[in-house]
Amino acid sequence: DTEVTQTPKHLVMGMTNKKSLKCEQHMGHRAMYWYKQKAKKPPELMFVYSYEKLSINESVPSRFSPECPNSSLLNLHLHALQPEDSALYLCASSQEPGPQHFGDGTRLSIL
Amino acid sequence: GQNIDQPTEMTATEGAIVQINCTYQTSGFNGLFWYQQHAGEAPTFLSYNVLDGLEEKGRFSSFLSRSKGYSYLLLKELQMKDSASYLCAVSTTSGTYKYIFGTGTRLKVLA
Repeated sequence: DTEVTQTPKHLVMGMTNKKSLKCEQHMGHRAMYWYKQKAKKPPELMFVYSYEKLSINESVPSRFSPECPNSSLLNLHLHALQPEDSALYLCASSQEPGPQHFGDGTRLSIL
Repeated sequence: GQNIDQPTEMTATEGAIVQINCTYQTSGFNGLFWYQQHAGEAPTFLSYNVLDGLEEKGRFSSFLSRSKGYSYLLLKELQMKDSASYLCAVSTTSGTYKYIFGTGTRLKVLA
């Protein structure tokens, strides 16, 4: 069982849709992350939240909008995505500077 | 710049020992992590080095030399289920902890 829970596991959406990815952890970790991963590539960092504040945005397009409602939750709001945004989206948490714990990911397909 | 290198692919035989190398050049260093990732699944944490030397955890060991910017993951008594990608990641600090992933090494274990 994973300690970081992501929903949904799969998502298919059109380019004009608005959807959200959700991530939850109850390990008391103060840092949470969003990654994008393409097939046969390493995870690519998108955003870092530390103590519920956005601390790193790796020049991610504005069609991806992160939100951290509280220390246990992390959302990624999606709007007007492109086909090249199809990927596995991973959420992770850590007690800095320790190891990251990853959720199972959301496999996103853009039609 | 920040750079983490690993071999792209390796092949080994069941029951053998394999060593996966990782070299890094990063600004700031807080630790080096090894993750295992099976196809279509999330990365899972294997090992963590902060100080120079060897860390042993069952069939897996990881070594770090900070002066050389070098680490390796040693897998003993290989099993078919060890066929996966192995990711080396470095934790750096520039105000916020950030984890930079290497390109990953795909390991195939043959019977």
